[in-house]
Amino acid sequence: QKEVEQNSGPLSVPEGAIASLNCTYSDRVSQSFFWYRQYSGKSPELIMSIYSNGDKEDGRFTAQLNKASQYVSLLIRDSQPSDSATYLCAVEALSGGYNKLIFGAGTRLAVHP
Amino acid sequence: SQTIHQWPATLVQPVGSPLSLECTVEGTSNPNLYWYRQAAGRGLQLLFYSVGIGQISSEVPQNLSASRPQDRQFILSSKKLLLSDSGFYLCAWSLRRGSNTGELFFGEGSRLTVL
Repeated sequence: QKEVEQNSGPLSVPEGAIASLNCTYSDRVSQSFFWYRQYSGKSPELIMSIYSNGDKEDGRFTAQLNKASQYVSLLIRDSQPSDSATYLCAVEALSGGYNKLIFGAGTRLAVHP
Repeated sequence: SQTIHQWPATLVQPVGSPLSLECTVEGTSNPNLYWYRQAAGRGLQLLFYSVGIGQISSEVPQNLSASRPQDRQFILSSKKLLLSDSGFYLCAWSLRRGSNTGELFFGEGSRLTVL
């Protein structure tokens, strides 16, 4: 069974700090990785996708991928109260004959003023 | 631009009643379509996956079924709901890219409570 693991949190950070969200996955051959943000009661929205080892930056967000360690992370710089949400890590894995996205249970982030 | 809509947004149904959730995608052709369920405080579970009209793959055995009568329409159904069917149902689409899933884009979700 392919798995994606995240710390459930809550991760509490002060406004303006860097929030660091982590994710590990079990399928060594996975090539595509995604971070989604989900506000309470809403559907997930895509924040970042990353396919190669290293860092990928988009505004205040940086995704980091280390395939050797099977580890992907999301950094949020200058955290704002509006960043308070659950962040879902998703990994594309081959299962049952086709590729599908496997989601972690999510990490709840709370940014306090 | 592409948009995805699903309805109804909220519904409360008695045990044993039927269910029909509908999802449509606009602004793209031949998308991959998905139904996910999210139980309270838990991750997303893939229920069904479709690569084309009439082509449905079921991820887990259950009393739910899915159909794709048109290229951009995806329907989730049940003949008799169970209490365990309660949850947040999400329709999603992605561009077809060979065997890869690619980025998923979700609809607004349908919150189902079975009493």
